[in-house]
Amino acid sequence: DGGITQSPKYLFRKEGQNVTLSCEQNLNHDAMYWYRQDPGQGLRLIYYSQIVNDFQKGDIAEGYSVSREKKESFPLTVTSAQKNPTAFYLCASSMGQLAETQYFGPGTRLLVL
Amino acid sequence: AQSVTQPDIHITVSEGASLELRCNYSYGATPYLFWYVQSPGQGLQLLLKYFSGDTLVQGIKGFEAEFKRSQSSFNLRKPSVHWSDAAEYFCAVADTGGFKTIFGAGTRLFVKA
Repeated sequence: DGGITQSPKYLFRKEGQNVTLSCEQNLNHDAMYWYRQDPGQGLRLIYYSQIVNDFQKGDIAEGYSVSREKKESFPLTVTSAQKNPTAFYLCASSMGQLAETQYFGPGTRLLVL
Repeated sequence: AQSVTQPDIHITVSEGASLELRCNYSYGATPYLFWYVQSPGQGLQLLLKYFSGDTLVQGIKGFEAEFKRSQSSFNLRKPSVHWSDAAEYFCAVADTGGFKTIFGAGTRLFVKA
């Protein structure tokens, strides 16, 4: 079955630590996205990538970094510079054409110890 | 800049009753509009989308939405709600100048027996 997988389901971060969230898709989609979801705020775009080896900052990129070395993979690193990382993180992908449907993974919940 | 407003943070309806979730958008041209649904702790799933043509669009799970340009609205409706419809619903508008999608803050639907 085609889809998007995210791991881990839960992640705990210690102060000053960088953590990486995994996102993999086998839909052969060109575009991939990372969103942050906080209660009552909907989804906010962190980074997106339209093609391999290229990505753009979204609305809240500070304290985060990404890479897109393979079409299937778009990992997100939450760095120590992100002072309020506790949130639900969602990865999505789309065909890459304008205004296409986005397909979402099941999410990763990040908690700070 | 585009924006999406969902005026109702939460709504409670009785099982079997009709449902209407409100969505207003701000966009200069003809928008690309979406409704997504999210079950607790899960990713989002597309219910329906509007790109052009017939302003009444049908989606999955018995949902429909009507695009009203004069009111800048894209309200979601269902004639008879089932307990399994309890979830959070997000309206979204696509940035046709790029690859970004703007999400509303969401409306949480509670269904009472």
